[in-house]
Amino acid sequence: GAGVSQSPSNKVTEKGKDVELRCDPISGHTALYWYRQSLGQGLEFLIYFQGNSAPDKSGLPSDRFSAERTGGSVSTLTIQRTQQEDSAVYLCASSLSTGDTEAFFGQGTRLTVV
Amino acid sequence: GESVGLHLPTLSVQEGDNSIINCAYSNSASDYFIWYKQESGKGPQFIIDIRSNMDKRQGQRVTVLLNKTVKHLSLQIAATQPGDSAVYFCAENGNTGNQFYFGTGTSLTVIP
Repeated sequence: GAGVSQSPSNKVTEKGKDVELRCDPISGHTALYWYRQSLGQGLEFLIYFQGNSAPDKSGLPSDRFSAERTGGSVSTLTIQRTQQEDSAVYLCASSLSTGDTEAFFGQGTRLTVV
Repeated sequence: GESVGLHLPTLSVQEGDNSIINCAYSNSASDYFIWYKQESGKGPQFIIDIRSNMDKRQGQRVTVLLNKTVKHLSLQIAATQPGDSAVYFCAENGNTGNQFYFGTGTSLTVIP
């Protein structure tokens, strides 16, 4: 596609359930980022993938959060045993390469934990 | 940890006036400083960046100023239009340059 695609756009889940959020980056972009944005807040870095290198997981808030990127393209962010404080918009972005300041963001997945 | 902050959370300007959005940063090691615009319901969109060895960069209707002495960044929008209404985030790329650290954002409202 022309841009970064995220699915689902909205997700409501019960506390304690696991959720998977998907990101399709722009074709050819080697860098992929996940951010979390709580209501009225800035973007909180979660994880970063660059090509075949080990991901930078330094922003993951707990071991309930994990992410993978298969074949250097599609990425999945998994949240296990969801908590109400996990409710936020999860944004994915991609850029051509490491250090490229222009990241292209998807529209995000709005996660609501009830 | 990283710290990028904004002086004002909201800003209202009259259509046609110039807008100035300010940002303070803390990490002197950042190589790039970036401005993003986020419209309601959308992901952030890149506006302009500036390298740390520059103090001014101009784009289309926008100018970014960097003052490393006081660790201050500003975005100037000329002849502000209703379509400029959005939340503006400054960001820096930190020590490694591999990720972006965003501030809380300034909400700009353009009054017709």
